[in-house]
Amino acid sequence: RKEVEQDPGPFNVPEGATVAFNCTYSNSASQSFFWYRQDCRKEPKLLMSVYSSGNEDGRFTAQLNRASQYISLLIRDSKLSDSATYLCVVIPGSPGTYKYIFGTGTRLKVLA
Amino acid sequence: NAGVTQTPKFRVLKTGQSMTLLCAQDMNHEYMYWYRQDPGMGLRLIHYSVGEGTTAKGEVPDGYNVSRLKKQNFLLGLESAAPSQTSVYFCASSYGRGLNTEAFFGQGTRLTVV
Repeated sequence: RKEVEQDPGPFNVPEGATVAFNCTYSNSASQSFFWYRQDCRKEPKLLMSVYSSGNEDGRFTAQLNRASQYISLLIRDSKLSDSATYLCVVIPGSPGTYKYIFGTGTRLKVLA
Repeated sequence: NAGVTQTPKFRVLKTGQSMTLLCAQDMNHEYMYWYRQDPGMGLRLIHYSVGEGTTAKGEVPDGYNVSRLKKQNFLLGLESAAPSQTSVYFCASSYGRGLNTEAFFGQGTRLTVV
């Protein structure tokens, strides 16, 4: 089983739609969670960290469910500029090792 | 502010040739990483370093060597390139302590081995 798993998509949604992505992780001791965004042929960039209580940044909401070992990303009022690949990132809990483990990414295409 | 800088940006190698990819960061980060990204595979960790003079293997280390002689630099070497090493290589760095510490990425190196 992969350490971090995501639905690769693509998700094709109209402008203004709400879309949600899920990501599952296998290591129950994982401590840190993130969503990164990657545009075509560019480097990944942090979209938002995911906190235990859930967190929101404008149109983006991230949730963590430790019991079921998944994190989610909700995008409201989708914009054309949201088209990108969204990468789920987990740091496993082994002390002294701070490794970022990436999912394969979920492609989102927002249509006019 | 430069952040994380990778050189070169593009390279074509012949099978069996060697090369070194350079990663430099100006954020005084302790941790540095080398990833490769292939279609459908996501980013996979090759090697990483938790501080100057230390390196460790990641998920796919075979065929690569690394060195971290200076805190700001992390070098990735291919001793004898193979077509299977055709990929996009990303370097990243982070402060490495505390929860939810962000990793910053370089712009990537596109390597083709023919």
